[in-house]
Amino acid sequence: DAKTTQPNSMESNEEEPVHLPCNHSTISGTDYIHWYRQLPSQGPEYVIHGLTSNVNNRMASLAIAEDRKSSTLILHRATLRDAAVYYCILRVLHGSSNTGKLIFGQGTTLQVKP
Amino acid sequence: DTAVSQTPKYLVTQMGNDKSIKCEQNLGHDTMYWYKQDSKKFLKIMFSYNNKELIINETVPNRFSPKSPDKAHLNLHINSLELGDSAVYFCASSQPPTVDFGQGTRLTVV
Repeated sequence: DAKTTQPNSMESNEEEPVHLPCNHSTISGTDYIHWYRQLPSQGPEYVIHGLTSNVNNRMASLAIAEDRKSSTLILHRATLRDAAVYYCILRVLHGSSNTGKLIFGQGTTLQVKP
Repeated sequence: DTAVSQTPKYLVTQMGNDKSIKCEQNLGHDTMYWYKQDSKKFLKIMFSYNNKELIINETVPNRFSPKSPDKAHLNLHINSLELGDSAVYFCASSQPPTVDFGQGTRLTVV
């Protein structure tokens, strides 16, 4: 199964941008790059996803390398509520159906300091 | 209203017992999943159903049996519980490409 590699932990100051890196050197052409985050005692929450081009939404931006072997999640202004485990995930299609499965890595624990 | 709801939230039981976890989604999604998060926080897919049909079975022991009575429900039944089954189990549903997760069921086997 395709795998991702992330730093175990990162720290940020409140109100500053955060860049969370991810390596996925074994990614295949049909794998989408997804980011989810998990707050304590909650289920994972969708953040953003992309295939080849950079993506922006109200929560974050996703920068994807040209060779697709790495990506970076960008939180433009970290808040205390952004403290969570951030998972960089490859969504792998299963067989010929459109059913995909998320292959989770170990995630990055983000601490935000006031 | 909660989009993906699981019951119970906590489950403590003895080894050898049989237990079930229920999951319901009100999002109208066709695909539902069960994921397991172990003590090291790794999340791993167990099963996936699409319109009540089993699509993915990730070599889970056959003591685990998912059941989907309709596309809004995917229940997980576990026979002969073992200590190593202790984990947080997440139900999820999906209308590609995003996945919505429930709040999890923390299963503790003693």
